[in-house]
Amino acid sequence: GESVGLHLPTLSVQEGDNSIINCAYSNSASDYFIWYKQESGKGPQFIIDIRSNMDKRQGQRVTVLLNKTVKHLSLQIAATQPGDSAVYFCAENIAGRRALTFGSGTRLQVQP
Amino acid sequence: EAQVTQNPRYLITVTGKKLTVTCSQNMNHEYMSWYRQDPGLGLRQIYYSMNVEATDKGDVPEGYKVSRKEKRNFPLILESPSPNQTSLYFCASSLGARVGSTDTQYFGPGTRLTVL
Repeated sequence: GESVGLHLPTLSVQEGDNSIINCAYSNSASDYFIWYKQESGKGPQFIIDIRSNMDKRQGQRVTVLLNKTVKHLSLQIAATQPGDSAVYFCAENIAGRRALTFGSGTRLQVQP
Repeated sequence: EAQVTQNPRYLITVTGKKLTVTCSQNMNHEYMSWYRQDPGLGLRQIYYSMNVEATDKGDVPEGYKVSRKEKRNFPLILESPSPNQTSLYFCASSLGARVGSTDTQYFGPGTRLTVL
């Protein structure tokens, strides 16, 4: 079946560098995407979302890019900090469904 | 403080012994949902509720029951737990009844369940 996936299970970056976490999705009917951050021992925390009628959205130090042509979603974190170390999930909502489909997650490790 | 609470946070039980994991939110949210999280599989939805007395199956509902008698509470019931239900469980809620709106889903802290 169609599912949300991630290219890299673990990403290691130096403190202060920019991080890019990628996500591929396969359902062309998906109309809404969300990035979540999950720290150890905690529930997922909303970071940023984007609708399918947009290709870029910016938040505080984070940017989400959506490329519908290749069904690709990315999360960019500027000036990565140790507190950014966590597992990041992308999730998609398929139009007409009342549930989110989550990817398996990417672990971001920030090296001092 | 706006939050989703779950109890218990940790539970070890034996096969066949009925258990309930409670979930409560104080944000007057209409939509509530249960997920399980397993290594390499991400979060998979078990059940969701659009409002009081309105529940529906998610992607992996087998072996679970839910109820929504009050807006704030959405308990997850395992009538006869089995070892394959050992997992990390999350409850979530959002204001909107339609997922895909801009309403953020708030997640609880999780319940780690082990079924022996």
